Amino acid sequence: EAQVTQNPRYLITVTGKKLTVTCSQNMNHEYMSWYRQDPGLGLRQIYYSMNVEVTDKGDVPEGYKVSRKEKRNFPLILESPSPNQTSLYFCASRAASTDTQYFGPGTRLTVL
Amino acid sequence: AQTVTQSQPEMSVQEAETVTLSCTYDTSENNYYLFWYKQPPSRQMILVIRQEAYKQQNATENRFSVNFQKAAKSFSLKISDSQLGDTAMYFCALTMMDSSYKLIFGSGTRLLVRP
Repeated sequence: EAQVTQNPRYLITVTGKKLTVTCSQNMNHEYMSWYRQDPGLGLRQIYYSMNVEVTDKGDVPEGYKVSRKEKRNFPLILESPSPNQTSLYFCASRAASTDTQYFGPGTRLTVL
Repeated sequence: AQTVTQSQPEMSVQEAETVTLSCTYDTSENNYYLFWYKQPPSRQMILVIRQEAYKQQNATENRFSVNFQKAAKSFSLKISDSQLGDTAMYFCALTMMDSSYKLIFGSGTRLLVRP
């Protein structure tokens, strides 16, 4: 089944404790992206990657890092999480043939 | 800057009836795509329908269809024969054909289908 997976689905952590949210897709898509969803602010792009070893900032990259060492994986790294990074995070990958982005199930992160 | 506006925060429809959700957008580009995504209580973002801006024909997917008015920059979603499972948040989104392929989302419309 074609899908985007994220882990963990839920995470509660404390300020300053490094964490990684993994994202993987099995559709051989070159483009992948991370969004965060917050009440009243909608979905905003954090980082995106056009292909392996090619990443760039989105609208809200502060406090986040990404890497793209393999086509299928695009992890989101929070090196020193803060409470304002409490949010619902979505990974997405884009099908070039249809210019459509497909989303993972989301990761609910709470930073205390 | 591109923007997407959904002016209906909440809507309600009786099961089996038809409902239309509104969306307007603003862009100076000529080449873009428009989407409707559904977010049920599970919080998953599910693609409902997509429309290429260069196509005049309105997209349809089973019970879902759009009314795309490019000159008016309007992109409404019609749900026919509404089902209880259609209860969700619906987001209109725009993506440009630049290097970021960023999706620009509206604020969403919460749809409740009443039995």
